[in-house]
Amino acid sequence: DIQMTQSPSSMSASLGDTVTINCLASQDIGNYLSWYQQKPGKSPKLMIYGATNLEDGVPSRFSGSRSGSDYSLTINSLGYDDEGIYHCHQYYEYPWTFGGGTKLELK
Amino acid sequence: EVQLVESGGGLVKPGASLKLSCVASGFTFSDYWMSWVRQTPGKTMEWIGDIKYDGSYTNYAPSLKNRFTISRDNAKSTLYLQMSNVRSEDTATYYCTRASNNPLGYWGQGVMVTVSS
Repeated sequence: DIQMTQSPSSMSASLGDTVTINCLASQDIGNYLSWYQQKPGKSPKLMIYGATNLEDGVPSRFSGSRSGSDYSLTINSLGYDDEGIYHCHQYYEYPWTFGGGTKLELK
Repeated sequence: EVQLVESGGGLVKPGASLKLSCVASGFTFSDYWMSWVRQTPGKTMEWIGDIKYDGSYTNYAPSLKNRFTISRDNAKSTLYLQMSNVRSEDTATYYCTRASNNPLGYWGQGVMVTVSS
């Protein structure tokens, strides 16, 4: 199985900050990488697909990037609505796998 | 609007069986691959498996393949997850998902399953 190592597991940032969450794939997954945002008590919401593509309706403050097997989600101008857990997910190869999640809190 | 509504969860004893359902609306169900994903109480996500739009093919996470079965009834726009010989580690929230720009683009609200004696 492809292992997705997500970091950090939790983080705290201030309003207006820029934050970056990372996922390292254990093998090549091309651009078959998605990011989800999950708010407390809610189901995950697709934010980024294909490593860099913004899902419809997602603010442009969110962006995805790739450097080799390292994938990143960057959130600019952090707002309170951005609090939650962020998950990365590879769909290059079965079984699809997820990172361990990053809990983002605002100070 | 795409809607996925799961049901059938609850408290079950170890070794029992349970069947979850997911009723879909707002799209042509028979056009899409569907998946089940679960999330543990510790918030870890695990993909369970998926099923082809016509029900002719399934894929599973190897660790669950022998106990979980995914099926669908396109006439009822319903996806199913049959769970057998459940264990405490199957305690999770189970989500039904549909592909969009990626295989897990739309998610239901989830249904909780608790395995305990």
